[in-house]
Amino acid sequence: SQTIHQWPATLVQPVGSPLSLECTVEGTSNPNLYWYRQAAGRGLQLLFYSVGIGQISSEVPQNLSASRPQDRQFILSSKKLLLSDSGFYLCAWSRTGRELFFGEGSRLTVL
Amino acid sequence: KNEVEQSPQNLTAQEGEFITINCSYSVGISALHWLQQHPGGGIVSLFMLSSGKKKHGRLIATINIQEKHSSLHITASHPRDSAVYICAVLPLNTDKLIFGTGTRLQVFP
Repeated sequence: SQTIHQWPATLVQPVGSPLSLECTVEGTSNPNLYWYRQAAGRGLQLLFYSVGIGQISSEVPQNLSASRPQDRQFILSSKKLLLSDSGFYLCAWSRTGRELFFGEGSRLTVL
Repeated sequence: KNEVEQSPQNLTAQEGEFITINCSYSVGISALHWLQQHPGGGIVSLFMLSSGKKKHGRLIATINIQEKHSSLHITASHPRDSAVYICAVLPLNTDKLIFGTGTRLQVFP
């Protein structure tokens, strides 16, 4: 069966520190992969979208970046975190957009 | 104006009540998702609709493509139904979903 794992679940980081959130998918191949952010009281905002290895589309200008080194691995990174990067980050996968599976989420607090 | 609007934003109910959450959108779509987000943050997909109606247990989802509107109904609501319900649409010719801001439901015993 298809599963998606995301870690770490919770992260508290100081301003200016680096970030790495990892997401892996099992049970499918060549999925579309997504990183979303959900700020407190707001809807899901698409950050990055990938249709294949090394193919990343950035939706929102920011100090975050994403990479897809393997077919089923998606990584969200930052070299220097800002206070405004705090939020709940969700990884998701889909084959055609008609089915949709989310990871458990990573709650990031930047102090 | 958001491309996906949900109403109400917040909803409280007594256990056993029938609940309706609405979603209106302004773009042509190929599919619409209803998602459930529990207090811990995890999101699960409840339904994916492209036409008509789907039922799963006490949950019913309907969509009217012509009117660009969908509803999620919960019959005989229960405190464990308390969650945020999110509508998301898949516009035509894209793989990128557009999300509503969610409806926070609290069901009291």
